[in-house]
Amino acid sequence: EAGVVQSPRYKIIEKKQPVAFWCNPISGHNTLYWYRQNLGQGPELLIRYENEEAVDDSQLPKDRFSAERLKGVDSTLKIQPAELGDSAVYLCASTRGGLTGELFFGEGSRLTVL
Amino acid sequence: GQQLNQSPQSMFIQEGEDVSMNCTSSSIFNTWLWYKQDPGEGPVLLIALYKAGELTSNGRLTAQFGITRKDSFLNISASIPSDVGIYFCAGRFQGGKLIFGQGTELSVKP
Repeated sequence: EAGVVQSPRYKIIEKKQPVAFWCNPISGHNTLYWYRQNLGQGPELLIRYENEEAVDDSQLPKDRFSAERLKGVDSTLKIQPAELGDSAVYLCASTRGGLTGELFFGEGSRLTVL
Repeated sequence: GQQLNQSPQSMFIQEGEDVSMNCTSSSIFNTWLWYKQDPGEGPVLLIALYKAGELTSNGRLTAQFGITRKDSFLNISASIPSDVGIYFCAGRFQGGKLIFGQGTELSVKP
């Protein structure tokens, strides 16, 4: 079974440029998460999807961040425009859902904003 | 706010020694998870705990879910060099939200 796939693995952009990250969850996993991980910190939740519905986006900076999961499978996270403080690793995770589903993470997309 | 306090922040041990780390919170969790993250990789699940007081082992790893559902510990016995990495605890609320501790960085000296 393939794991959570993310792309790109690395992205370097200048501030004020847009950037997008893509995630394909494990087949059959209804719940998808986007996390941001700053250097030396634990992952912090940005948004959680149950199928195509965003059920928790309270920590997503909506002025510049957006996400979508149109068909309830893969998902895209966008930042426009990027700021220096957005440099981080963006992690996608998925789970079958329910109250006890275990989360499986992708390798992450490392963003550097210059 | 909702947060996990993970300690210690870092550990430097000799190969063969046992390791213990823990997480505490003021919040009650439905599930506790322990992850390990290697440089440049995503976190990998080590152990999942579902019931208060549950004690679970996975090879040399042992973890327990606190009776109050507010804390958990992870023990690693007879550490080896490949145990090096960052260990994260994560607590999952009944509604599904998962939050992480700040991590414990483990260094093992051969």
